[in-house]
Amino acid sequence: GQQLNQSPQSMFIQEGEDVSMNCTSSSIFNTWLWYKQDPGEGPVLLIALYKAGELTSNGRLTAQFGITRKDSFLNISASIPSDVGIYFCAGQLDFGNEKLTFGTGTRLTIIP
Amino acid sequence: NAGVTQTPKFQVLKTGQSMTLQCAQDMNHEYMSWYRQDPGMGLRLIHYSVGAGITDQGEVPNGYNVSRSTTEDFPLRLLSAAPSQTSVYFCASSSPRDGSYEQYFGPGTRLTVT
Repeated sequence: GQQLNQSPQSMFIQEGEDVSMNCTSSSIFNTWLWYKQDPGEGPVLLIALYKAGELTSNGRLTAQFGITRKDSFLNISASIPSDVGIYFCAGQLDFGNEKLTFGTGTRLTIIP
Repeated sequence: NAGVTQTPKFQVLKTGQSMTLQCAQDMNHEYMSWYRQDPGMGLRLIHYSVGAGITDQGEVPNGYNVSRSTTEDFPLRLLSAAPSQTSVYFCASSSPRDGSYEQYFGPGTRLTVT
């Protein structure tokens, strides 16, 4: 099946630092979604992107839909302790097909 | 509006036992899906449904059955549990009528097969 390469796999940062992560694919996607998963919970949608080049913000989070439609980026500015968790990208391949392909996740840890 | 609910939250089964994981949503979403989450593997699609009476296989369907008799409910059945089915299972739903592909997830069921 389709694969999304998400990097980095894990990040250890200090509170207040900015964070960047990305997702790449060999296929063109029509939609990119970014989710966050807290321990013991289900993924929660953070940002949805629908057009190539689109840049969308949600508070301190900013995500971009790559121009080639094969990648997407998520940035978190001025990280705080509640940003800890696993971040997943997900791509939707075909118009009219609801199926999503998920990346393997980026685990964010904040070092005290 | 409870969103997507799943029961049970935790379950331990012996090899060969069967059980049903329940999923319900109250958002009138047409699309529902089941994923399993294993360490380092992300979320993998087991089965999905685009509406009542319609189901289809995802990436890892073997050992699982689903049915969709109503819009609200989408149960996942393990016919004969195996240790390889130890995982965290998530149900999700979305509505293509909204023009979006944003899936909303339940809290998950943590299953251990011994």
